[in-house]
Amino acid sequence: DAKTTQPNSMESNEEEPVHLPCNHSTISGTDYIHWYRQLPSQGPEYVIHGLTSNVNNRMASLAIAEDRKSSTLILHRATLRDAAVYYCILRNTGGFKTIFGAGTRLFVKA
Amino acid sequence: DAGVTQSPTHLIKTRGQQVTLRCSPKSGHDTVSWYQQALGQGPQFIFQYYEEEERQRGNFPDRFSGHQFPNYSSELNVNALLLGDSALYLCASSPGWARANTEAFFGQGTRLTVV
Repeated sequence: DAKTTQPNSMESNEEEPVHLPCNHSTISGTDYIHWYRQLPSQGPEYVIHGLTSNVNNRMASLAIAEDRKSSTLILHRATLRDAAVYYCILRNTGGFKTIFGAGTRLFVKA
Repeated sequence: DAGVTQSPTHLIKTRGQQVTLRCSPKSGHDTVSWYQQALGQGPQFIFQYYEEEERQRGNFPDRFSGHQFPNYSSELNVNALLLGDSALYLCASSPGWARANTEAFFGQGTRLTVV
């Protein structure tokens, strides 16, 4: 299964944008890039997903590199409630087996 | 919609015992996956059920088994509990087992402590 690489932790100031990177150099052509986040004492929560084109939703934006070997989750204005562990995951149509890495722990300072 | 419901929320068992954890998927979801999350780690995939059959399995021993019922709810059974089985067990549901472009919904998890 393809793997992803993320920084262990990142820090942001409240109200500022946050760019969370993810490398997935062994991604296959049918792998979707998904992002989930996990707040303390909760199960993971879906954030966004995409295949090739950049995606926007009410929570975040997903920027996908042209070669698809990396992607960036963008939180446009970080709030204290965005402090969580963010996971970048690859999912394939040929049978689903999500592999979670260690994720990036995001700290947000007031 | 209640989302994904897991029971119980917390459980304490003794080494060697057996445990059953339960999961009710989100309405309309027919695929259930189970994960083990140790403290400070990301979730590790255990297995996935669709149409009452195990479709995918992660690197877990046969002590871990499951079942899916006709109403799509699922159980995770762990036999001969070890101290190392202490973890948060998460259930996730999604529509259509082979669809990779759908959102998965997770439950709050069951915290299992083995003493």
